[in-house]
Amino acid sequence: DAGVIQSPRHEVTEMGQEVTLRCKPISGHDYLFWYRQTMMRGLELLIYFNNNVPIDDSGMPEDRFSAKMPNASFSTLKIQPSEPRDSAVYFCASSDPSRELNNEQFFGPGTRLTVL
Amino acid sequence: GENVEQHPSTLSVQEGDSAVIKCTYSDSASNYFPWYKQELGKRPQLIIDIRSNVGEKKDQRIAVTLNKTAKHFSLHITETQPEDSAVYFCAAPLGGYALNFGKGTSLLVTP
Repeated sequence: DAGVIQSPRHEVTEMGQEVTLRCKPISGHDYLFWYRQTMMRGLELLIYFNNNVPIDDSGMPEDRFSAKMPNASFSTLKIQPSEPRDSAVYFCASSDPSRELNNEQFFGPGTRLTVL
Repeated sequence: GENVEQHPSTLSVQEGDSAVIKCTYSDSASNYFPWYKQELGKRPQLIIDIRSNVGEKKDQRIAVTLNKTAKHFSLHITETQPEDSAVYFCAAPLGGYALNFGKGTSLLVTP
């Protein structure tokens, strides 16, 4: 398996623009997590899905953020409109607690977002 | 939800010395405590974890200890090497299989 795939790897946009981040989890994993990492706030959980259903979105900062998982192999995180304070590295991770020997979460390479 | 505190935020040791990173958690029902390592510019990766039914787990030069009564767990790295330099994150369950991560410890191992 290629692991968790994220695109784009880097995104530079201007304030007010819409940004869409994409994630393909490891095949067969039924949990998908979106995290945001900044120096100030560390690694924050934004939202997670189980079997494509959002379970907890309490970490989503505000209504400008939305996430979807239309099928088991694809998820998006959208920011509209984007603001400079959204600049961060966004990680997607997946897991399959029923199959893995532990609850390990496998992270993608991340998307580095810069909002000017 | 679970509150995870991690200390220290930075740690510098000489090659060959030991490094210890400590975390505390708030939910006494928590039963799974992983540690992730993140090298510069890379993704976090699991290095070791422990469940609440054991007090210690070792894997070569790394070990994790758990004190359920005090609600804290620690990562121990012995005989540190320059390649151990990274940011280390502890975590505890947030709900279901979600995790709440500590703020991270930046470990620098100097030759």
